[in-house]
Amino acid sequence: NAGVTQTPKFQVLKTGQSMTLQCAQDMNHNSMYWYRQDPGMGLRLIYYSASEGTTDKGEVPNGYNVSRLNKREFSLRLESAAPSQTSVYFCASSEAWLAGGQGDTQYFGPGTRLTVL
Amino acid sequence: AQSVTQLDSQVPVFEEAPVELRCNYSSSVSVYLFWYVQYPNQGLQLLLKYLSGSTLVKGINGFEAEFNKSQTSFHLRKPSVHISDTAEYFCAVSDAGGYQKVTFGIGTKLQVIP
Repeated sequence: NAGVTQTPKFQVLKTGQSMTLQCAQDMNHNSMYWYRQDPGMGLRLIYYSASEGTTDKGEVPNGYNVSRLNKREFSLRLESAAPSQTSVYFCASSEAWLAGGQGDTQYFGPGTRLTVL
Repeated sequence: AQSVTQLDSQVPVFEEAPVELRCNYSSSVSVYLFWYVQYPNQGLQLLLKYLSGSTLVKGINGFEAEFNKSQTSFHLRKPSVHISDTAEYFCAVSDAGGYQKVTFGIGTKLQVIP
């Protein structure tokens, strides 16, 4: 089991460029999440997918779009990157439909470090 | 909506000394509480969680936490830290029941000094 994998590990973009962050999980989990981690701000939820075929906005969705391609894969797209999107991005998954209410554990990928110049 | 406060952004402690990382939460309903650990350049992994029952929860790597409803706290403790415990620790909370998202604190960096 690879768990949760993310690609790429590192990326440098220029302002205005676009890119897609890929995430896949092999645990047959229902829910998947995208977070960003910034110093002094902890983890903030960008988008989530409670189940295959559904996606919803989290706390900080502006400037991002997502696709739940199938049960395994959940991608995050930056259409026009801005310096404010410089961050570390984590993908996570959980078996339950939304981890919190069921007290379920979230499993995190290793992260993508994105710099926007 | 729930929220969580981690009172210390950084905690330096000598090796083999005890440590306590503080976490307070607010919510108008019953909650589930989590502690996650992030080692350098890695993703987060679960240390322990409180769902119900005994208020003292034991986790991996010798960590434990105590749920205190009256003080709305869920502090993390370890009686003797090792260099390998150097990491960032995140407290998280969710309203219990139904379909709820998890809210994370800003994290506490534990620096173990040899």
